[in-house]
Amino acid sequence: GDSVTQMEGPVTLSEEAFLTINCTYTATGYPSLFWYVQYPGEGLQLLLKATKADDKGSNKGFEATYRKETTSFHLEKGSVQVSDSAVYFCALSEGRGGADGLTFGKGTHLIIQP
Amino acid sequence: GAGVSQSPSNKVTEKGKDVELRCDPISGHTALYWYRQSLGQGLEFLIYFQGNSAPDKSGLPSDRFSAERTGGSVSTLTIQRTQQEDSAVYLCASSHPGQGYEQYFGPGTRLTVT
Repeated sequence: GDSVTQMEGPVTLSEEAFLTINCTYTATGYPSLFWYVQYPGEGLQLLLKATKADDKGSNKGFEATYRKETTSFHLEKGSVQVSDSAVYFCALSEGRGGADGLTFGKGTHLIIQP
Repeated sequence: GAGVSQSPSNKVTEKGKDVELRCDPISGHTALYWYRQSLGQGLEFLIYFQGNSAPDKSGLPSDRFSAERTGGSVSTLTIQRTQQEDSAVYLCASSHPGQGYEQYFGPGTRLTVT
């Protein structure tokens, strides 16, 4: 079955540091890939997505590129802020017209210190 | 506009009792999803509705779990004879095919079984 593997953390960085959160996946088909974010006390929000190989999703300074050859979708940000502290989830969907739910990784807790 | 709403936000119940969790999707969203978030298992996909129909119920953890959706809108997730391992946050999401089946999540219902 499908699966998503990501570093679990916590990952602690100083403000303005460079961020990478690794995500790799296993899927039977050709999935769409997502990063969701859960800020403290809030619900899950879609951060960015990519639906085909070599697509780059981007939002709020975060980027991730769909790499089919390495089955990866690593999340990056050039300069993190304290407000980026949250739990980040990598996810995939086989996308059979929406008939699949999302398969999530276990989440990475990111802590940014001032 | 209104997002996905869920009720109750918190529910404490005794082992063996039945509980009903409610989800109100975004107006016009035809697809609705239920997930469970727990410390041990992370985020698990439970069931998906397209309209009122649930094509695949295999993600439900046991036959104590059931879900229905009426009128293509509100959905209820029912857990019969609750067990302590059912304690988790139950999340609902909805999506629309015109938006690439991007899923919008509700705030969740925190269920505690004592």
